[in-house]
Amino acid sequence: ELKVEQNPLFLSMQEGKNYTIYCNYSTTSDRLYWYRQDPGKSLESLFVLLSNGAVKQEGRLMASLDTKARLSTLHITAAVHDLSATYFCAVEEYGNKLVFGAGTILRVKS
Amino acid sequence: KAGVTQTPRYLIKTRGQQVTLSCSPISGHRSVSWYQQTPGQGLQFLFEYFSETQRNKGNFPGRFSGRQFSNSRSEMNVSTLELGDSALYLCASSFSSGIYNEQFFGPGTRLTVL
Repeated sequence: ELKVEQNPLFLSMQEGKNYTIYCNYSTTSDRLYWYRQDPGKSLESLFVLLSNGAVKQEGRLMASLDTKARLSTLHITAAVHDLSATYFCAVEEYGNKLVFGAGTILRVKS
Repeated sequence: KAGVTQTPRYLIKTRGQQVTLSCSPISGHRSVSWYQQTPGQGLQFLFEYFSETQRNKGNFPGRFSGRQFSNSRSEMNVSTLELGDSALYLCASSFSSGIYNEQFFGPGTRLTVL
């Protein structure tokens, strides 16, 4: 059974600082997704990572995937308040079944 | 291009009742998946429908069921509601199943069971 672990579960950052969220998973998969969720809202797709070594960047966020280590990272550069949200990684187990991590609550303080 | 729509957005039921939630996928998308989100269990996969057939199913009791219509719209039904069924139910649509495709989530239906 595929398990997905995220850490940290809660992250309080100062504006302008950098930090990384980690996503480990237990069985082989080469499809990993990052989503953002604002309070009371649905999931917004951030990144789709499909192969080992994949790296994608959008604004202050950069995601990478190492399928051999079964690890993905979401790096935040020079955080701003607008990035405050909950971030989920999800691994595709089979078909369209996504197994989600517990989520990382990110709070950016000014 | 319109996104995934879900109705109703909010629902209050009492224990023992049943409920039906609806999801309309993005036009052209044939796969619809359902997820339950609770503070305790997080996001959990319920089932996926593709071309009117259930392709995958998560570890939920038989009280949870679904179906998909020929226009790809999907419904999920929960019978004999329990307090623990209170959750945000999200559906996601994608173009196809089994190969790379991105899933787009709807706004969710917030179900409260009293």
